[in-house]
Amino acid sequence: GENVEQHPSTLSVQEGDSAVIKCTYSDSASNYFPWYKQELGKGPQLIIDIRSNVGEKKDQRIAVTLNKTAKHFSLHITETQPEDSAVYFCAASKGEYGNKLVFGAGTILRVKS
Amino acid sequence: NAGVMQNPRHLVRRRGQEARLRCSPMKGHSHVYWYRQLPEEGLKFMVYLQKENIIDESGMPKERFSAEFPKEGPSILRIQQVVRGDSAAYFCASSPRPSDEQFFGPGTRLTVL
Repeated sequence: GENVEQHPSTLSVQEGDSAVIKCTYSDSASNYFPWYKQELGKGPQLIIDIRSNVGEKKDQRIAVTLNKTAKHFSLHITETQPEDSAVYFCAASKGEYGNKLVFGAGTILRVKS
Repeated sequence: NAGVMQNPRHLVRRRGQEARLRCSPMKGHSHVYWYRQLPEEGLKFMVYLQKENIIDESGMPKERFSAEFPKEGPSILRIQQVVRGDSAAYFCASSPRPSDEQFFGPGTRLTVL
């Protein structure tokens, strides 16, 4: 089955700097890749997603890139702010009927002010 | 439009008791997913349901766990004869169509004493 690896497990950046989180997946049939942000005691919140027919997607300070050949995708956060501090999860699915998501282990992002 | 609702938010059970977790999907969403998050880990898929049907239960333990999504009312995840290893956060997600993005609820944190 699908396996998703996520790196780094923790990331500390200075406020205003950029943060990059990387994920690799094993199943070449996967074609849907969402990113979730989870704050302490809350459920995961979808922040951006990308499908395999697109190489890059951007939404304000957040962008996701996808390399299908290498089977990896990355989350980029620019101009980080303290409120960006949270745990970030990548996920992958085949996007077919029943969108079962396979999650990475998560990255704890700390933005120091 | 209210988001995904889960109750209770916190549930404490003694070993051997039953736990019932409820999930009300977003209005207009007929697809429900359950995920489990162990401490310090990512989310693991358990089961995918539509109204009155279990579509994919490949992530569900074979014994003691069951799920339903009746025609009327919330989806229920039921754990019989709980053990300490069942202590985790259980999240429900819903989507309007099978391959659409999933929106997560706040979770139920189960503690087994």
